[in-house]
Amino acid sequence: DTEVTQTPKHLVMGMTNKKSLKCEQHMGHRAMYWYKQKAKKPPELMFVYSYEKLSINESVPSRFSPECPNSSLLNLHLHALQPEDSALYLCASSQEGLAGDEQFFGPGTRLTVL
Amino acid sequence: AQTVTQSQPEMSVQEAETVTLSCTYDTSENNYYLFWYKQPPSRQMILVIRQEAYKQQNATENRFSVNFQKAAKSFSLKISDSQLGDTAMYFCAFMMGYNNNDMRFGAGTRLTVKP
Repeated sequence: DTEVTQTPKHLVMGMTNKKSLKCEQHMGHRAMYWYKQKAKKPPELMFVYSYEKLSINESVPSRFSPECPNSSLLNLHLHALQPEDSALYLCASSQEGLAGDEQFFGPGTRLTVL
Repeated sequence: AQTVTQSQPEMSVQEAETVTLSCTYDTSENNYYLFWYKQPPSRQMILVIRQEAYKQQNATENRFSVNFQKAAKSFSLKISDSQLGDTAMYFCAFMMGYNNNDMRFGAGTRLTVKP
């Protein structure tokens, strides 16, 4: 299984809602990532978990809250988002989280904040 | 800070022809990795090819090859015998050799393969 899955595929939420994005991989990878991709732009790194520990938070606003319950699962909790947070949210994983490791990407969740 | 520049926002090529996508980067480091990722219209990004900076030999994967010019900080992707399935956004990416966490992407080149 060389797949990273993400649910839901699409999400529409109001600015007062609380929602969560889910990412799962069964490749035995020990590093997982959240990226944000605006339309016609490259992905931007938000969070990195390595061996279930948060190792990078690229100064992302606190309305985004990551969680890594185990090495196969990664969540992104959303609360009080702004319309400018509308984007494609990509999850990725890599084997050991070492420099040069290939990152395997999921199909993304398209988020719209009204 | 490391930056990655892709100067061709859009390109097109006829099926079966060869096309080259350009990428330049800026770094003062000597140990790093370079990647080309492909993002088809369905959006799932996949790795096309990977190059380690300390290897002088250019990486090759089937129809895909790179021209890595370390001194010029250039990393172009050549696609031979283009196929309709090659239509996608192509991102050049840079990663430091000691830190896997910070992969920097270029702005991307949208490639269309025409029948």
